[in-house]
Amino acid sequence: AQKVTQAQTEISVVEKEDVTLDCVYETRDTTYYLFWYKQPPSGELVFLIRRNSFDEQNEISGRYSWNFQKSTSSFNFTITASQVVDSAVYFCALSEPIYGQNFVFGPGTRLSVLP
Amino acid sequence: EPEVTQTPSHQVTQMGQEVILRCVPISNHLYFYWYRQILGQKVEFLVSFYNNEISEKSEIFDDQFSVERPDGSNFTLKIRSTKLEDSAMYFCASREMTYEQYFGPGTRLTVT
Repeated sequence: AQKVTQAQTEISVVEKEDVTLDCVYETRDTTYYLFWYKQPPSGELVFLIRRNSFDEQNEISGRYSWNFQKSTSSFNFTITASQVVDSAVYFCALSEPIYGQNFVFGPGTRLSVLP
Repeated sequence: EPEVTQTPSHQVTQMGQEVILRCVPISNHLYFYWYRQILGQKVEFLVSFYNNEISEKSEIFDDQFSVERPDGSNFTLKIRSTKLEDSAMYFCASREMTYEQYFGPGTRLTVT
């Protein structure tokens, strides 16, 4: 069965702090894709990153970085030097070809960055 | 850049009424999806659609729901007789052969 866990329900940090959002997934397939989406207060889902199961290379994009570790089934997301505009709900998601690429989303982590 | 669009952005309806949520997927995409997000909760898969038929549906997608691609561009979700618990944000998504789904901005449905 597919499952995505985001253990942190809410996180509050002060601006300029670094913050890591955890994501742990379960899958029996060897081919799968992992995603992170940002949902600001306006409600839309903003795509941040996709990673396939064969690519464990970590990625950095500006202040964002992702740490994919298959050994622990984790795909953690770090924001460096957080800003107030980073305040949002962040969702980790899993999709697998055998399930038609339907997304299974985690419960989300609400990040509040305080000035 | 092409994008998925959804109309209306917000729909208010009375319990028992039928609603149709509309989506225009990206033009060369082949796979279409509807997801639901109850306020404050996670995004949940409802249904996927390919080659003019449902390819997969979740337990949420019961007989009250239906999907249709009435022409070459629109993809609709119909709720036949809305209930209070249908109040949610509904997201449409589409993809081509690659594995990245592109999400629309969502339609907020409020059932009173």
